[in-house]
Formats: sequence, structure tokens, C-alpha cells
Amino acid sequence: EAQVTQNPRYLITVTGKKLTVTCSQNMNHEYMSWYRQDPGLGLRQIYYSMNVEVTDKGDVPEGYKVSRKEKRNFPLILESPSPNQTSLYFCASNSYSGRADNEQFFGPGTRLTVL
Amino acid sequence: LAKTTQPISMDSYEGQEVNITCSHNNIATNDYITWYQQFPSQGPRFIIQGYKTKVTNEVASLFIPADRKSSTLSLPRVSLSDTAVYYCLVGDRGGGFKTIFGAGTRLFVKA
Repeated sequence: EAQVTQNPRYLITVTGKKLTVTCSQNMNHEYMSWYRQDPGLGLRQIYYSMNVEVTDKGDVPEGYKVSRKEKRNFPLILESPSPNQTSLYFCASNSYSGRADNEQFFGPGTRLTVL
Repeated sequence: LAKTTQPISMDSYEGQEVNITCSHNNIATNDYITWYQQFPSQGPRFIIQGYKTKVTNEVASLFIPADRKSSTLSLPRVSLSDTAVYYCLVGDRGGGFKTIFGAGTRLFVKA
């Protein structure tokens, strides 16, 4: 089954304790992205990657790191989490085929609480 | 990236047709218009994408006027399960590159 998986799905942590949220896709997609969603603000892009070793900042990259060492994986790293990073996080992937019907596939989300 | 403007919320009744309009005055020549649907605590799901005129699939229709400065998502005969947030995106892909989702339109379908 074609899918984007994220782990963990739920995480409660404390300020300053480094954490990693993993994201993996099995569709051989070139593009992968991380978003955060907060009430009333919709989805905001954190980072995106156009292929292995190619990443760039989205709208809200502060406090986050990413890496793309393999095509299927795109982990999101919070080196020193703070309470304002409490949010619902989504990973997404898509393939740029040049066709009109190019869609992003989203993971199930990771709900992070930083105390 | 072109900014989009949508109504914050809409109400409808089961069986009605719902039209959600998105304004994107600064759309670029290479930009496509894409709509996503999101249920609470789930990731967005692709609905439809178009460049100009009209696109229809088994779920919705997308109407784009000649100047492409706006677009309308049309949901025929909505049901309670269509209650969700609908996002309009404009960009040269369906997203995945630098992407701006905006706040979306919250559709509430009543019995």
C-alpha cells in the first residue's frame, strides 16, 4: 500500500530534550515536506526537500532541522524543543511528474506536546 | 508564491451543492490550482487540480475563469461526511515545493 508513515504518532516531552520525528514514504517520491498545524493558522511549511541531500526552508523553519540522506526518509529534528513547538506535525511527499494531477500525500500526523 | 484568500467558514445542508471560491490575484503563468480536504486530526487529502476552464472528477468540479485570478470548488450534493476544511493552493506543482496552504474554509454540512 502506497503511504507516508510517521513516528511517533503522539509524543509528550520536556523543554530542551532533543527529539526526532521520523517520516518515511514508499512511493519513490522526490519531494518531501514537513508542516505544522496550529489552531486558526492552517498548515505552515517548515522544510521541504526536492531530493536526496537537497533541502530548503519553508515559512517557519526556526527551531527545526531536517536531513535527507535517503530518498524514502525525511526526519524532522528538534534540537532543543520549546513549548511554542507544541503542535500537530504532518509529513508529505509527492513526485513531480510534469503532469497536471500532481498531488501531495500526507502522513497521519504527529501530535507533539512540549512541557 | 501567490497568496490565496478563501472564506473562513460556510454552512450547508445535506443534498445541496456547495461552491467555495478562492481568490488568487497574483497567480503566475506556470501555476496550477489545487484543492485539498482535511478532516480533524488527519492529513490533507488531494481533491482536484486544474490550470484553466473546468476540471471534473468523481468527487468535485473546479471552475477557473479565463483570467485565472479566482477559482471555485464545487461539491455536488454534499453529505454530512463532507464536513471538513478545504484548502486552495496555487503553485507550479500540487505542493511539495515551497507551499503556502493558508487557513482554509471550514465547511459544516447539516442534516
